[in-house]
Amino acid sequence: AQSVTQLGSHVSVSEGALVLLRCNYSSSVPPYLFWYVQYPNQGLQLLLKYTSAATLVKGINGFEAEFKKSETSFHLTKPSAHMSDAAEYFCAVRDQGGKLIFGQGTELSVKP
Amino acid sequence: ETGVTQTPRHLVMGMTNKKSLKCEQHLGHNAMYWYKQSAKKPLELMFVYNFKEQTENNSVPSRFSPECPNSSHLFLHLHTLQPEDSALYLCASSQESGNTDTQYFGPGTRLTVL
Repeated sequence: AQSVTQLGSHVSVSEGALVLLRCNYSSSVPPYLFWYVQYPNQGLQLLLKYTSAATLVKGINGFEAEFKKSETSFHLTKPSAHMSDAAEYFCAVRDQGGKLIFGQGTELSVKP
Repeated sequence: ETGVTQTPRHLVMGMTNKKSLKCEQHLGHNAMYWYKQSAKKPLELMFVYNFKEQTENNSVPSRFSPECPNSSHLFLHLHTLQPEDSALYLCASSQESGNTDTQYFGPGTRLTVL
């Protein structure tokens, strides 16, 4: 069965610093992986997705994620944090039945 | 309206009330989903509809009753809820319920059960 673990329920960075949000997955088949962002009082918005093409995936708002099969990881990064990046971030894997399995989320805070 | 819309955005109800949540997608998709988002827990898939047919019921209590009259509309009928049902209920849609299809989410309905 597929599962997702997000390391760290809360991450705090300074504005302009590197953002690194960690996601490890478990999957018995080649995974399809997603990162979603949720701003306060809003639904989830797709940042990027991996569907077995290039291992480095670029998304919106300057985010990118790298699929590493050997590490079963799909960490999300952004070189320079902006105040507007403060939100909750969810990693998800799609299971064989087509369902999205979500991690517990990581809340990102950005300090001025 | 574009994307996925949900009404109402906030709902407070007593345990004996009956209410309905509405979701509408303007993306031409064929699959629609209900999720429950509780504090400190991962999103939980509740129901999946593909071409108006329910294809997934993730062991949801019968006090939650979904309805999908067409591919653009999805309802969640609520009755005799419990306080632990208080959560953010998110609707999503995708082209079909397949492996690579991106799911687009609505803003959610914040439900409080007193």
